[in-house]
Amino acid sequence: DTGVSQNPRHKITKRGQNVTFRCDPISEHNRLYWYRQTLGQGPEFLTYFQNEAQLEKSRLLSDRFSAERPKGSFSTLEIQRTEQGDSAMYLCASSPASGYTFGSGTRLTVV
Amino acid sequence: GQQLNQSPQSMFIQEGEDVSMNCTSSSIFNTWLWYKQDPGEGPVLLIALYKAGELTSNGRLTAQFGITRKDSFLNISASIPSDVGIYFCAGPISNAGGTSYGKLTFGQGTILTVHP
Repeated sequence: DTGVSQNPRHKITKRGQNVTFRCDPISEHNRLYWYRQTLGQGPEFLTYFQNEAQLEKSRLLSDRFSAERPKGSFSTLEIQRTEQGDSAMYLCASSPASGYTFGSGTRLTVV
Repeated sequence: GQQLNQSPQSMFIQEGEDVSMNCTSSSIFNTWLWYKQDPGEGPVLLIALYKAGELTSNGRLTAQFGITRKDSFLNISASIPSDVGIYFCAGPISNAGGTSYGKLTFGQGTILTVHP
């Protein structure tokens, strides 16, 4: 396990469709984070898991967004009824106690 | 709020030149992090700073944690073409209850272009 893996790398979807992204963290890392990055901006925090518990959600995470980490290992981020404003890079990061490793992200384009 | 402002927004330099960029905030941070992001990839940590006044180097990169804890600087010496990318500063932020959980706030980035 050499790093944080995210799939798919790219996703193009029509407005109104649902999409799901997957993140496989570094295996011994108990902390997992999702961030969103739009063009010309730095990443913005979305949500945080410690093992399987989702401990914090940003106000950016509207009710169309849901994230899970069912067994404390991989995580999924689902966006329902996608809107054009959801177009962004979705980054996952994992951490033991401190210090992040980011994945390469999933680039979502909503058309 | 706990927002980070980076300057300059972009830089165009010749290979071999030194580069300096900074990051400021109206809030105090106890940790400053500098990341580099290549196109289509996630950010990669370059340097972490944990103490006011600290000066830390990583190869040709040097970063400083400002004495006021409200700013940080990153310097790159003798730039090379592979230094091209976006450089972000970041720091940990807390929720209303004061808990951090390790979440970060990022600046908007400095885009570096190096001409051979």
